[in-house]
Amino acid sequence: DAKTTQPNSMESNEEEPVHLPCNHSTISGTDYIHWYRQLPSQGPEYVIHGLTSNVNNRMASLAIAEDRKSSTLILHRATLRDAAVYYCILMRQGAQKLVFGQGTRLTINP
Amino acid sequence: DTAVSQTPKYLVTQMGNDKSIKCEQNLGHDTMYWYKQDSKKFLKIMFSYNNKELIINETVPNRFSPKSPDKAHLNLHINSLELGDSAVYFCASSLQGLAGTDTQYFGPGTRLTVL
Repeated sequence: DAKTTQPNSMESNEEEPVHLPCNHSTISGTDYIHWYRQLPSQGPEYVIHGLTSNVNNRMASLAIAEDRKSSTLILHRATLRDAAVYYCILMRQGAQKLVFGQGTRLTINP
Repeated sequence: DTAVSQTPKYLVTQMGNDKSIKCEQNLGHDTMYWYKQDSKKFLKIMFSYNNKELIINETVPNRFSPKSPDKAHLNLHINSLELGDSAVYFCASSLQGLAGTDTQYFGPGTRLTVL
């Protein structure tokens, strides 16, 4: 399973953008980059995924480096409800499982 | 209208007992999973089933036995519970489980406490 590295924790202010980095230098060509988040006392929740191009959805944007060795999850305007642990996960075609790392604990200050 | 539901939400029991956790999904997905989140908050896959067939068994003690009566249900039975089994157990489902684009939907979790 290819490994990802994320900062243990990050802090931001409400209504400001948040950039959550993830390094995955051993990514292979068939690995998709997935982001999930886990709000307090809840199950993980899918956020976004991508392969090579940047992606946007209603929750966030995903910026993928040209060499695919890193990516950044962007929350455009953080709210208190975005406080969670964010996991960056590489999903290989046929893998059938998510391998969770320690994730980044995001704190949002009012 | 809950997509992935688990029962019970909390389970407190004595060492040595046998207990079951039930999971149901109404998403029409083919693949279901069990994950365990320990006290240090690490989430680790235990099992996955695709169309009622066991696909992944991640070196889980054989005291844990998943059972999938149909595509929409994946139950987890645990025999001879030990203190180390205390954790939050999450059920999840996904459309196929094979595609790198497949996304997983998680249930709310079952907090198991073994005394």
